[in-house]
Formats: sequence, C-alpha cells, structure tokens
Amino acid sequence: QKEVEQNSGPLSVPEGAIASLNCTYSDRGSQSFFWYRQYSGKSPELIMFIYSNGDKEDGRFTAQLNKASQYVSLLIRDSQPSDSATYLCAVKDGTSYGKLTFGQGTILTVHP
Amino acid sequence: NAGVMQNPRHLVRRRGQEARLRCSPMKGHSHVYWYRQLPEEGLKFMVYLQKENIIDESGMPKERFSAEFPKEGPSILRIQQVVRGDSAAYFCASSPQGMGSNQPQHFGDGTRLSIL
Repeated sequence: QKEVEQNSGPLSVPEGAIASLNCTYSDRGSQSFFWYRQYSGKSPELIMFIYSNGDKEDGRFTAQLNKASQYVSLLIRDSQPSDSATYLCAVKDGTSYGKLTFGQGTILTVHP
Repeated sequence: NAGVMQNPRHLVRRRGQEARLRCSPMKGHSHVYWYRQLPEEGLKFMVYLQKENIIDESGMPKERFSAEFPKEGPSILRIQQVVRGDSAAYFCASSPQGMGSNQPQHFGDGTRLSIL
C-alpha cells in the first residue's frame, strides 16, 4: 500500500511569516511530486511540482525534495490570509500510468 | 478551473437511482482521471482513461461504478443504484497526451453528489 503522509494541522502562522508544510511518502520508486491548494468547497489547484532532488522556487513558493529521506516540503514565504487553505501533497510513481496518491492534506491558517 | 469542465456541479439523487457525472478534459488533453473525495477525507484515485480505453481502474468499487471515455464526447462516471455512502465530491483531472508520466494533472471544479 503506497502511502503519503501529511500533518493534518491546523498549522497557524501570522501574516508575513514563512509557512512550512511537510509530506513523506512510502514508495521509493516515486518520481513526481505535486502540491495542490484546495479552498473549502473548491477543487484542487496545482501550486508546484518537483521531480529532482533539491529546491524549486516559484514566486513565494519553494518546493523541496529529498528522495533519500522520502520527504517533500512546501515553503510559503510572506504568507497572506489568502493562503489559508488545505494543502495537498500528491505523489506519482514511475511505474503507474499516472494516478496520484494524495495525502490527507494540511490545513493552513494565516492570521492577520 | 484550468479548462477541465465538469457537470453538473451539484447532483441530488435518491437511494437506488443512477448518477451520471460528466467530464470534458482540457483542450489537447486525452488522459482523464477520476477521483473521489469523501467528507473530511483526502482525494482517492478511482479510474484512469484514455479515449475509448480504460487504462487503470484499480480504485473503482467492484460493483455499481463504471466509467467511459468515448471517441466523441465527455468522459462519463456512472454510479448505479446509489447509496448514502456515495455522497462525495467527484473530481475529474486531465493531462496532456504523450507527454510522459511527469505531466501535472489539472482538476475540474468537481461534482458534489448528495444522496437522499
């Protein structure tokens, strides 16, 4: 059973701070890693994806991947109240036809 | 939402009825995935389809659920003889054709299914 684990939170940070969201996965063959943001009652929205070890930055978002530790994280700099949402970590292995295994999601609250 | 169109947005059915959920992928995408999100739970993969083919249905319940993606028209997720436990949000996602397994999936707005 391939698993993706996230701390469900809620994670509360003040406006302007860095929010750090973490995810671990069990399948060492996993190749692609995605972060989605989901507002309550809405659909998942792709935020970042990363394939290689190291950091990948896009605006206020940085994804970090460590395949040896089977760990992927998302950093949100200068957090805004509009960032308050559930963040879903999703993992795609290298052998399947592309289905994503999702974590339970981390609820992030950014308070003014 | 990113071009993946799902309808209806909300669907109410009584126990024992049939539910049909539709999904049109983004333009240029021929890979369609269906996921289910039960209340207070994460997204769970159900089925992966390409045009006229079911590629992976390992997440589909063995009974009452079926999916298709015909040569013309949207992908359909069909639930027969619905029960209360089928109440959930059903999301469709699509990805480009022939771009490899690393391509991100983009999600539609979902269909919220409620069973009375």
